[in-house]
Amino acid sequence: DTGVSQDPRHKITKRGQNVTFRCDPISEHNRLYWYRQTLGQGPEFLTYFQNEAQLEKSRLLSDRFSAERPKGSFSTLEIQRTEQGDSAMYLCASSLGQGKNIQYFGAGTRLSVL
Amino acid sequence: GQNIDQPTEMTATEGAIVQINCTYQTSGFNGLFWYQQHAGEAPTFLSYNVLDGLEEKGRFSSFLSRSKGYSYLLLKELQMKDSASYLCAGTNSNSGYALNFGKGTSLLVTP
Repeated sequence: DTGVSQDPRHKITKRGQNVTFRCDPISEHNRLYWYRQTLGQGPEFLTYFQNEAQLEKSRLLSDRFSAERPKGSFSTLEIQRTEQGDSAMYLCASSLGQGKNIQYFGAGTRLSVL
Repeated sequence: GQNIDQPTEMTATEGAIVQINCTYQTSGFNGLFWYQQHAGEAPTFLSYNVLDGLEEKGRFSSFLSRSKGYSYLLLKELQMKDSASYLCAGTNSNSGYALNFGKGTSLLVTP
């Protein structure tokens, strides 16, 4: 049983550049979530998908952020024109969408914007 | 949000028992989760409560009082490896399936 995997684990970029992160959920999990976590804080919800449909987006998700899940399996999160304030850990989670709907998290992608 | 509130830091001794409290706004409440997160690692699921009462799972137990908007995580027989951040998260009928996390409680277990 493979867990949620995220790639890359670390990303360093210059301000103004675009970055893209990938998340592979646990197979057969139909819900996929993106969160952002900064030091000393709990994760903050960004968006979630049910299969390929993006059903909810946080007001934190500015128009520079876009997420896709084209085939209902893996997902990508793109940040355009990165800013220093985007520096954070980006966490992906997936859930089966039944019962307790427990969300299982990946190890995250740590983004540093210089 | 759900205004999840939990202490920032706690310290306890190896072998002891520690209780980490969490309060939340009750409006639209739809379930409460506890996660453990070691530094630089993914949050890992510990427990879920939606009904009042105590859920026990090995050394860890979680309690919920819906009327009081209160939960706690109880850790028994503390081990050094229990040093981590403990995250309380609520789900709310107004915010779909998103988890609303508190800032986390950093627990330090000392010898």
